Amino acid sequence: KAGVTQTPRYLIKTRGQQVTLSCSPISGHRSVSWYQQTPGQGLQFLFEYFSETQRNKGNFPGRFSGRQFSNSRSEMNVSTLELGDSALYLCASRTNTGELFFGEGSRLTVL
Amino acid sequence: AQTVTQSQPEMSVQEAETVTLSCTYDTSENNYYLFWYKQPPSRQMILVIRQEAYKQQNATENRFSVNFQKAAKSFSLKISDSQLGDTAMYFCAPAPSGSRLTFGEGTQLTVNP
Repeated sequence: KAGVTQTPRYLIKTRGQQVTLSCSPISGHRSVSWYQQTPGQGLQFLFEYFSETQRNKGNFPGRFSGRQFSNSRSEMNVSTLELGDSALYLCASRTNTGELFFGEGSRLTVL
Repeated sequence: AQTVTQSQPEMSVQEAETVTLSCTYDTSENNYYLFWYKQPPSRQMILVIRQEAYKQQNATENRFSVNFQKAAKSFSLKISDSQLGDTAMYFCAPAPSGSRLTFGEGTQLTVNP
């Protein structure tokens, strides 16, 4: 089975721009979660989607949003980028028994 | 809200030796999962081992095993016969009902030849 695929792997944006990141889960997995990893804050939960519905949301401002499509692929969007949004964004798909399998991440740099 | 404490920011071990990484957590949930993930320099998070809180038996996965003390909310990871490829950042993460994970700050483990 192919693993979790995240695109793009690296991107550079400037303050005020917006960005969309994509995640394709492992085939058959219907739950997709997003996490932000920064040196200062560590790993923080952004949101989880299951069957196209947001099931859980972390403590992030409304500039962070996401969605899931009928094929379970998910996208997350960050609008009006700030320097502090520079991070590794990790996507994970979840099995029915609770294990999360992570993608390689999308590294966002905001200049 | 859950909190996770990994009190050892860095640890080192000689190849072939055994090392134990500690983790304590706080949760109001009764049913939850606990995970250890490793993140090598490639930055990809890799599942090491999983434990269901309702199970008294400690999980084992080849060279990796846990010591789960539910009453004490402690979940330590033991790595036996350490290998150079075990060098990574290790994260402890409880998850209520297997949903959102709360990660600790991590322990950087270095295995020395």
